[in-house]
Amino acid sequence: DGGITQSPKYLFRKEGQNVTLSCEQNLNHDAMYWYRQDPGQGLRLIYYSQIVNDFQKGDIAEGYSVSREKKESFPLTVTSAQKNPTAFYLCASSIDGGSPLHFGNGTRLTVT
Amino acid sequence: AQSVAQPEDQVNVAEGNPLTVKCTYSVSGNPYLFWYVQYPNRGLQFLLKYITGDNLVKGSYGFEAEFNKSQTSFHLKKPSALVSDSALYFCAAQAGTALIFGKGTTLSVSS
Repeated sequence: DGGITQSPKYLFRKEGQNVTLSCEQNLNHDAMYWYRQDPGQGLRLIYYSQIVNDFQKGDIAEGYSVSREKKESFPLTVTSAQKNPTAFYLCASSIDGGSPLHFGNGTRLTVT
Repeated sequence: AQSVAQPEDQVNVAEGNPLTVKCTYSVSGNPYLFWYVQYPNRGLQFLLKYITGDNLVKGSYGFEAEFNKSQTSFHLKKPSALVSDSALYFCAAQAGTALIFGKGTTLSVSS
């Protein structure tokens, strides 16, 4: 079945450590996105990529970095510069910018 | 700033009754509008989308949404609620190359 796989489901890190969240899709979608979800705040866009080797900052990119070396993969690194990294992170993809998003099941990151 | 508002944090309805989850948007142009549903600890699932044309859009699981351009609203509706509809619902609008999401409305359907 085609879909988006995010791993791991739960991730625990100590403050000051960088951590990378994995996102892989086999839908052959060009566009991929990272959102952060906090209770009562909806989804906020971190980064998005419309094509391989290109990506754009979203509304809350500070303290995060991404790469898009392959069409199927869009990993997100949460750096030590991110002041409040504990959150639920969702990866999504779409055929193009106006099509519905397909979401992964998320990674819950806890930093202590 | 462009935004999507969901004025109700929670909507409670009895099983079998009609439900409405409200959404208004402030986005320039004629944006595409979406509804998504999220079950606990899962990603979002697409329910329906409005692009243009008929103001009543039909989607998955018996849901529909009513678009009103003058009120810039896109309310989600279902004629008869099920307990299994209980979940978190998000409205979203296309602004440029990415979606703007509302903060979500928790729908609770009681038996």
